[in-house]
Amino acid sequence: KNQVEQSPQSLIILEGKNCTLQCNYTVSPFSNLRWYKQDTGRGPVSLTIMTFSENTKSNGRYTATLDADTKQSSLHITASQLSDSASYICVVPRPGNTGKLIFGQGTTLQVKP
Amino acid sequence: DSGVTQTPKHLITATGQRVTLRCSPRSGDLSVYWYQQSLDQGLQFLIQYYNGEERAKGNILERFSAQQFPDLHSELNLSSLELGDSALYFCASSSFGTSSGYEQFFGPGTRLTVL
Repeated sequence: KNQVEQSPQSLIILEGKNCTLQCNYTVSPFSNLRWYKQDTGRGPVSLTIMTFSENTKSNGRYTATLDADTKQSSLHITASQLSDSASYICVVPRPGNTGKLIFGQGTTLQVKP
Repeated sequence: DSGVTQTPKHLITATGQRVTLRCSPRSGDLSVYWYQQSLDQGLQFLIQYYNGEERAKGNILERFSAQQFPDLHSELNLSSLELGDSALYFCASSSFGTSSGYEQFFGPGTRLTVL
């Protein structure tokens, strides 16, 4: 069954600290994996898109990794800021060019001062 | 700003009523996707249109319908509303008809409250 699972479900860290969010997927065949950031009540915003040949991709303080063999991805946030408080969603396209995406349930991150 | 616009921002209505949500995709994008996000839930795919034609269907109720017009804007119609329909409704757009390799850009959403 094609699924995307994220952990932890929620996370609280202090401002300035680093954290890592995990995503495991069972989607096959795999084309790409995206990380989105969703502020409360707002639309998701793309952070990175990674294809199966990419291992690491950075976007400012956000670094995503992908291990296509183990079907795992992580999103590492460095030197967290209060504005990083949001839900982070891992997304993988459903196989077959259907236009559908499979969304993880998200990790809710709260950065405290 | 993603370039995707949605109106209205907020909508409050009563059970049994009908509402229409509107979405304008990014300039040049042919695909429009509709999603529902209930409180503390993940995004649920409802339906996709590509250049005016229905392309893919998700968990969309029969009480809900959508269409994409020649100018590529899309409308999501929700009828016989129930309390459980209260949610955020997002529209997204992308350049092509498939999601593989092509990013979907999300609008700011419409918050629907059914009383």
